[in-house]
Amino acid sequence: AQSVTQLGSHVSVSEGALVLLRCNYSSSVPPYLFWYVQYPNQGLQLLLKYTTGATLVKGINGFEAEFKKSETSFHLTKPSAHMSDAAEYFCAVNSDSWGKLQFGAGTQVVVTP
Amino acid sequence: SQTIHQWPATLVQPVGSPLSLECTVEGTSNPNLYWYRQAAGRGLQLLFYSVGIGQISSEVPQNLSASRPQDRQFILSSKKLLLSDSGFYLCAWRNRAGGTEAFFGQGTRLTVV
Repeated sequence: AQSVTQLGSHVSVSEGALVLLRCNYSSSVPPYLFWYVQYPNQGLQLLLKYTTGATLVKGINGFEAEFKKSETSFHLTKPSAHMSDAAEYFCAVNSDSWGKLQFGAGTQVVVTP
Repeated sequence: SQTIHQWPATLVQPVGSPLSLECTVEGTSNPNLYWYRQAAGRGLQLLFYSVGIGQISSEVPQNLSASRPQDRQFILSSKKLLLSDSGFYLCAWRNRAGGTEAFFGQGTRLTVV
């Protein structure tokens, strides 16, 4: 069984400040981990993924995430928030060969000037 | 390059009416296909997945069904819609051969009235 917990359903950050979105997962086997972003009334866009290898992964739009097995975490960060980062962010885990994703509840990010 | 198309983008249907949502993928062969639903208070939930023509697996009991009549076509249907079927429906695909991440369509906003 797999599950994902995202801490904080809403996060407000100032433009230029650090963005930190937390994700913890549970999985009985080594997982694939993903962060997706969703803008209003649109589909999900992949920000980054971890499969194997280097635990610090870089994605699009300046985001990065670090896989920490001992903490079962995959937190997403961006050093400096931009107004265009306002969106909903989803952490997801896949632990099976069918590619089925288990999503967290999502974190809505608001960026203030 | 690969693309995924979903239509319609928006749909308002009365209770008890039928439903047909279509999803097609271009630029790839033998993809795994998925239907997810995003509903208020229930997050992103996998409804169906398919690993080949005519092969459908249901993840949750519901009023909906899915079909895959062609390799790159995935259809979500209902004979009689319920109010609880309202939500944002997302189709996704993943490369079956060595793929890790899923790619999502733009979604269909269904409102049952």
